[in-house]
Amino acid sequence: QVQLVESGGGVVQPGGSLRLSCAASGFTFSSYGMHWVRQAPGKGLEWVAFIRYDGSNKYYADSVKGRFTISRDNSKNTLYLQMNSLRAEDTAVYYCAKDHTAGSFTFPFGYWGQGTLVTVSS
Amino acid sequence: AIWMTQSPSLLSASTGDRVTISCRMSQGISSYLAWYQQKPGKAPELLIYAASTLQSGVPSRFSGSGSGTDFTLTISCLQSEDFATYYCQQYYSFPRTFGGGTKVEIK
Repeated sequence: QVQLVESGGGVVQPGGSLRLSCAASGFTFSSYGMHWVRQAPGKGLEWVAFIRYDGSNKYYADSVKGRFTISRDNSKNTLYLQMNSLRAEDTAVYYCAKDHTAGSFTFPFGYWGQGTLVTVSS
Repeated sequence: AIWMTQSPSLLSASTGDRVTISCRMSQGISSYLAWYQQKPGKAPELLIYAASTLQSGVPSRFSGSGSGTDFTLTISCLQSEDFATYYCQQYYSFPRTFGGGTKVEIK
C-alpha cells in the first residue's frame, strides 16, 4: 500500500536550516508529482511547494520562495525540502503529499504522509 | 493567487443530520476542486475531487457539487466518525490554495 514517511523535523533557531525527507513506497514514485503542505499549530492547511514527477518543474508559495528548495531523488524514492533562513512563522507540521494520478496534468493531493513537526524558536 | 472563502467555519450538528459546507472562489476554476477531511492529530484525507467525484472507499453519504466559483460539500446523514474538520482546495493553478476549514462538531 502507499506509504509516505516524513523525517527531519525538530527544533531550530530563527535563521537556521533544516532538511526534511519523505520516503515513498507502494507506488511508482518517479511517475507522480509531489508536494509539501504545512499546518501551523491549531491553524489551517498551507501549500508550500510542488515538484513535477521528473523534477523539471517546481513551484513555491510566496511565503517560502527564495528560502525553501524542493527536490527529489527518484532512484531513492525520496522527496526533500531544504529550509533555510527559518522564521518563527515557519513553525508547523510539514506533510508530504502525492498527486492523485500519475503524469504531468493537474491533480489533487491523493495521499498524505503523517507529517513531521518543525519548531522555529530561540 | 486564487482566494477561497469557506463557510461556515464551525458547524454544530447531530448524528443523522444533513450538513452542507460551501466554498467560494475569487475566480473561476472549472471543476478543479477537492474536499479533504482531517481528524485531530491525523493527516488530511481526500474525500472528493473534480468537484463531485468520490474518492475510492469514501462513503456515498458524502457528495460534492458546483463548478466555476461556487462549490458545496454535503453529508447526507452525519455519522459519529464524520465529526472532523473539512477543507476545500483548488488545483486549477499554482499556488495551490485551501479554504479556511469547517469544523463539524457534535451539537
